[in-house]
Amino acid sequence: GENVEQHPSTLSVQEGDSAVIKCTYSDSASNYFPWYKQELGKGPQLIIDIRSNVGEKKDQRIAVTLNKTAKHFSLHITETQPEDSAVYFCAASLGNTPLVFGKGTRLSVIA
Amino acid sequence: KAGVTQTPRYLIKTRGQQVTLSCSPISGHRSVSWYQQTPGQGLQFLFEYFSETQRNKGNFPGRFSGRQFSNSRSEMNVSTLELGDSALYLCASSLLTQPDTQYFGPGTRLTVL
Repeated sequence: GENVEQHPSTLSVQEGDSAVIKCTYSDSASNYFPWYKQELGKGPQLIIDIRSNVGEKKDQRIAVTLNKTAKHFSLHITETQPEDSAVYFCAASLGNTPLVFGKGTRLSVIA
Repeated sequence: KAGVTQTPRYLIKTRGQQVTLSCSPISGHRSVSWYQQTPGQGLQFLFEYFSETQRNKGNFPGRFSGRQFSNSRSEMNVSTLELGDSALYLCASSLLTQPDTQYFGPGTRLTVL
């Protein structure tokens, strides 16, 4: 089955800097790649997603890139702010199959 | 539009007991999935329901079961609780047309003593 690896497990950046989180997946048939942000005491919140027919997608300060050949995708957050501090999860799916999640990245934005 | 709601938010049980957790999906969403989140294993898929039918099932023992009602609300049940069942149980809902685009509720924190 699908396996998703996520790196790094923890990331600290200065406010205003960029943060990049990377994920690799094992099943080349996977075609949907969402990113979730989870704050303390809350459920994961979908922040951006990308499908395999697109190489990049942006939404204000966040972007996701997908390299199907290398089977990896990345989350980019620019101009980080303290409220970006949270745990971020990547996931992969074949569409009608359950989401398979990475282990998460704890992002700390230092003011 | 209201988000996914889960009740109760917190639950404390003892080993051997059983528990039922409830999930109300976003209005119009007819697919509901359940996940278990623990520090060691991360987010693991339990099962998915669509139109009252279980469509997918994860690798969990038969003590874990679920169901979906005609109004799309879903419940999951865990029988004969074990200490290792302590976790955050998350429910996610999605549209039939985009079953993989899932929106999560706040979760139910289950503690087994």
